[in-house]
Amino acid sequence: QLQLQESGPGLVKPSETLSLTCTVSGGSISSSSFHWGWIRQPPGKGLEWIGTIYYSGSTYYNPSLKSRVTISVDTSKNQFSLRVRSLTAADTAVYYCARQSGSYWSYFDYWGQGTLVTVSS
Amino acid sequence: QTVVTQEPSLSVSPGGTVTLTCGLSSGSVSTNYYPSWYQQTPGQAPRTLMYSTHTRSSGVPDRFSGSILGNKAALTITGAQADDESDYYCVLYMGSDIWVFGGGTKLTVL
Repeated sequence: QLQLQESGPGLVKPSETLSLTCTVSGGSISSSSFHWGWIRQPPGKGLEWIGTIYYSGSTYYNPSLKSRVTISVDTSKNQFSLRVRSLTAADTAVYYCARQSGSYWSYFDYWGQGTLVTVSS
Repeated sequence: QTVVTQEPSLSVSPGGTVTLTCGLSSGSVSTNYYPSWYQQTPGQAPRTLMYSTHTRSSGVPDRFSGSILGNKAALTITGAQADDESDYYCVLYMGSDIWVFGGGTKLTVL
């Protein structure tokens, strides 16, 4: 059974950079059949797609976040990572990693449990 | 920028039928947007219900169905149960490697 697990700090200061890692187990991140995505959810609000990566390193970003976000992949560790720069309180959210499947990788079929990141001094 | 629209809230009686929709602020949703649907209860990660408009994910009961109704994607729950009370989100593939979530619908079963 595929599992995804987010890891990283729960508290980050404003203006700093957030780094999160998603570890995939029970399957290979190098499969050509899937992409891998990051999604976030501010407290009490809806879900927002952040970006997506393919095992080859190809990346796709939400235009509203593109200038501050970098997603990378480490196939040797079966992990992919998210960096968000210049943090503000508006970046406080539960961050999820997920596998994307189907035509145009159009749906998220496996999700991590999510990790809450609070931006505060 | 195109916004994906959903009803903020809906209610249904136990045993009743309710349809949630997923539209665009400009234009019509078709199967080419590959709409998918997710159910989320408080404190939990989303659960995938439906993809490619009308394909149910593994383990999803057949009282959940997906379709295109008019110019929107739709998720219909037939015979609503108490544990269907959740937040529901749709996702549309907008092309050019962009995926957009709708704002979500809070469904109450009462």
